[in-house]
Amino acid sequence: GDSVTQMEGPVTLSEEAFLTINCTYTATGYPSLFWYVQYPGEGLQLLLKATKADDKGSNKGFEATYRKETTSFHLEKGSVQVSDSAVYFCALRTTYGGSQGNLIFGKGTKLSVKP
Amino acid sequence: DSGVTQTPKHLITATGQRVTLRCSPRSGDLSVYWYQQSLDQGLQFLIQYYNGEERAKGNILERFSAQQFPDLHSELNLSSLELGDSALYFCASSVALAGYEQYFGPGTRLTVT
Repeated sequence: GDSVTQMEGPVTLSEEAFLTINCTYTATGYPSLFWYVQYPGEGLQLLLKATKADDKGSNKGFEATYRKETTSFHLEKGSVQVSDSAVYFCALRTTYGGSQGNLIFGKGTKLSVKP
Repeated sequence: DSGVTQTPKHLITATGQRVTLRCSPRSGDLSVYWYQQSLDQGLQFLIQYYNGEERAKGNILERFSAQQFPDLHSELNLSSLELGDSALYFCASSVALAGYEQYFGPGTRLTVT
């Protein structure tokens, strides 16, 4: 079945460091790919998305490129801030068979940014 | 604020009991999804309703059931609760059946003692 694998955390960085969180997927068909962020005590918020190969999603300084050849959707940010501390989830969405657009999530990566 | 509301925020109950979690989708959204977030299983899709009808099922136990009412709010019923059912339960809504962004509520934290 479809699945998402993302790097284990936690990840601890200093402010202004470069961030990469790896995400790879296995899917039948052509999924849409997402990064969600969960701040402490809150629900999930969509951070960015890409719906087809070579699309780049971007938001709030974060970027991820849909790479079909490597089945990857790595999250990057050039300079992290303390306020970026959160748990980041990579997810895919397919629409086939009995699935009607539900999301399949990775395990999540906790990011802590120190001042 | 996503516009999706969930009640209660926290719920503590004993094994063997039954609870009901409530979700109100964003205004105009017809589709409601339920997800469970636990430490060992991560975030898992449970069930989806669209305009009152069940449309997709994920890893939902037989002890769990859901429904969506004519006013589009949804309830997730969990019965014969076990310690392992302790988790965060999220509701998400989207405007249509598939292919649209899902907006998540703040979740209900269920603790089974």
